[in-house]
Amino acid sequence: QQQVKQSPQSLIVQKGGISIINCAYENTAFDYFPWYQQFPGKGPALLIAIRPDVSEKKEGRFTISFNKSAKQFSLHIMDSQPGDSATYFCAASVSGTYKYIFGTGTRLKVLA
Amino acid sequence: NAGVTQTPKFQVLKTGQSMTLQCAQDMNHEYMSWYRQDPGMGLRLIHYSVGAGITDQGEVPNGYNVSRSTTEDFPLRLLSAAPSQTSVYFCASSYSLLGVDSPLHFGNGTRLTVT
Repeated sequence: QQQVKQSPQSLIVQKGGISIINCAYENTAFDYFPWYQQFPGKGPALLIAIRPDVSEKKEGRFTISFNKSAKQFSLHIMDSQPGDSATYFCAASVSGTYKYIFGTGTRLKVLA
Repeated sequence: NAGVTQTPKFQVLKTGQSMTLQCAQDMNHEYMSWYRQDPGMGLRLIHYSVGAGITDQGEVPNGYNVSRSTTEDFPLRLLSAAPSQTSVYFCASSYSLLGVDSPLHFGNGTRLTVT
């Protein structure tokens, strides 16, 4: 299965709260899991990425948690800010290939 | 450094018309690709290229043609536009094999409407 299932489709969070977006996959050959952030009218941009040899990666307020046995990974945005309001895409790929499989996206709105 | 540049930003076509979406990158990236973004469906790969003269199909290649004559340019051609091709199209490039050290760099997209 090549799909990456992403949830929720949309998310509203209060300023200062934690935003959590989840993704699940079936293909055990996937070994690279990036998250992309997209603002309106712009192309997606890499936010953070993880490989399955670690269970967590943190960059500032953004953390990826990875559960290899469950084939799930999630993005946590701590202390969410209105400037984080964007669409977030998870993705997966197999190293050495040229194909990402993207999730369907989560539209995040952080209320001031 | 302009990155990935797409033109035009907006386009309206009638069914059956043809057009070319332009994509250029100035980062000397070997890998270039085209995605379409549709509501609720994420980003789907149309075609990609791993270098000049080399192209291959992605998930949804039907109705689209590509060529790669130079490292910098990767145009996407719609030979006979259909309403199902109404979408936002993104071009993306990467230095080499995809991975942590070689993320995708996206352009700002072309919004295409086919009536």
